[in-house]
Amino acid sequence: EPEVTQTPSHQVTQMGQEVILRCVPISNHLYFYWYRQILGQKVEFLVSFYNNEISEKSEIFDDQFSVERPDGSNFTLKIRSTKLEDSAMYFCASSRRETQYFGPGTRLLVL
Amino acid sequence: DQQVKQNSPSLSVQEGRISILNCDYTNSMFDYFLWYKKYPAEGPTFLISISSIKDKNEDGRFTVFLNKSAKHLSLHIVPSQPGDSAVYFCAATMSNSGYALNFGKGTSLLVTP
Repeated sequence: EPEVTQTPSHQVTQMGQEVILRCVPISNHLYFYWYRQILGQKVEFLVSFYNNEISEKSEIFDDQFSVERPDGSNFTLKIRSTKLEDSAMYFCASSRRETQYFGPGTRLLVL
Repeated sequence: DQQVKQNSPSLSVQEGRISILNCDYTNSMFDYFLWYKKYPAEGPTFLISISSIKDKNEDGRFTVFLNKSAKHLSLHIVPSQPGDSAVYFCAATMSNSGYALNFGKGTSLLVTP
């Protein structure tokens, strides 16, 4: 059964450094998403991507964040200058329509 | 703001009995609702969904009920099994929002033998 994959599974970085989180969505899906979950809190929407452009973004997704689909398979989330509060689980998801399928997540720790 | 609320942080049910997980929402523009199951250190796993034009959807042991007038939905698991023990998240979306999901805080279900 096709699934969403994410790399790396864990990332530790210093505050102020750039990080790139990678995702391979399910191949015939059209919509791509990033969510995050800070420890002990709910899963929060960051951004959705359709037809090679951002279709929706939340207040969390400020100028420090960007997304890209550099080729036909990968979908990336870049955080330009990480802050301590960016420490969280980051989940990628994909869908053909409403039903989204999530990857296993990347645990980001900013020191 | 909390547009999707799961007011019970935890629920304990005996194996074989029914588990009922509840969810309330405030935004009447939501037109699609989903339930996800999540284990620690894993991504949410899709369970079942319902469109706002329906009031019930069933898939095996899982049934979701939607009461639009009360802005309430529930997930019923019958019969409950120990493997169902996990955190269950309710989520809602609007078709015109890029399908961004609004999640509740989750309910931790424990099914005891």
